[in-house]
Amino acid sequence: NAGVTQTPKFRVLKTGQSMTLLCAQDMNHEYMYWYRQDPGMGLRLIHYSVGEGTTAKGEVPDGYNVSRLKKQNFLLGLESAAPSQTSVYFCASSYSMRGARNQPQHFGDGTRLSIL
Amino acid sequence: KNQVEQSPQSLIILEGKNCTLQCNYTVSPFSNLRWYKQDTGRGPVSLTIMTFSENTKSNGRYTATLDADTKQSSLHITASQLSDSASYICVLGGYSTLTFGKGTMLLVSP
Repeated sequence: NAGVTQTPKFRVLKTGQSMTLLCAQDMNHEYMYWYRQDPGMGLRLIHYSVGEGTTAKGEVPDGYNVSRLKKQNFLLGLESAAPSQTSVYFCASSYSMRGARNQPQHFGDGTRLSIL
Repeated sequence: KNQVEQSPQSLIILEGKNCTLQCNYTVSPFSNLRWYKQDTGRGPVSLTIMTFSENTKSNGRYTATLDADTKQSSLHITASQLSDSASYICVLGGYSTLTFGKGTMLLVSP
C-alpha cells in the first residue's frame, strides 16, 4: 500500500522561480489537503479539496495555488517562490471532512523546500 | 481563538520507562481529539481518535485520556522503546477544521 505519495522529496529554488508539488493517494479518498510545517509551529492548512474539480482556501493560502483535476491527485503550485515559503509541505487525504466522522487523515512524508 | 497547548515541549526518558504527555485546549465545540506520532523526516501517523464522550482509548502501549470538563487530554506511553522517539502531536477536530498543537518531542535513551 503506497498510501499518500509526495514528489519531489527535496527541492531548492531561487526567489522568483516557480514549481509544482505533486501529491497522489491510492485510497480513493474524497478529501485532500496541503499543509506546511515550520519550526515551532503546528501544521497549518494551505488549501484543501472536497472532491475532484474542487478546491478551497485554508488558513495560509497566499502565494499558493492548487488543482485537483483527478480524484487521486492534488497539486500545489508556487508561482513566484519567496524565502518565506521555505518549509516542509505535507499532503494528506481522508475519507470524510477534516474533523468529522472520526476519520484519520493520512499524511505523506513531506517535501522539504528551500527558497534562496 | 482556538488553541491547543502541549507540554512539555521536549522530554528525555530511559528505555523501558513510562511517560505522559499533556494537551490543553480551548477549542469549542469539537468533534474529536486526535493524537499523532511524527517520526523525524516522516509525516504524522494517527495513534488514537476520541470523541468528546470517550474518556480513554488505547492503541498498544499508547493510551489517550480525555477530560472534556477540564479541556485536557493526555497520552501515556508504557514501557517505552527506542522507536517511540518522535514528536507527538495533539489535534482537535471540529466539523470542518483541525487545530494542531506544536507537538512534544520525545527522546527515548538506551
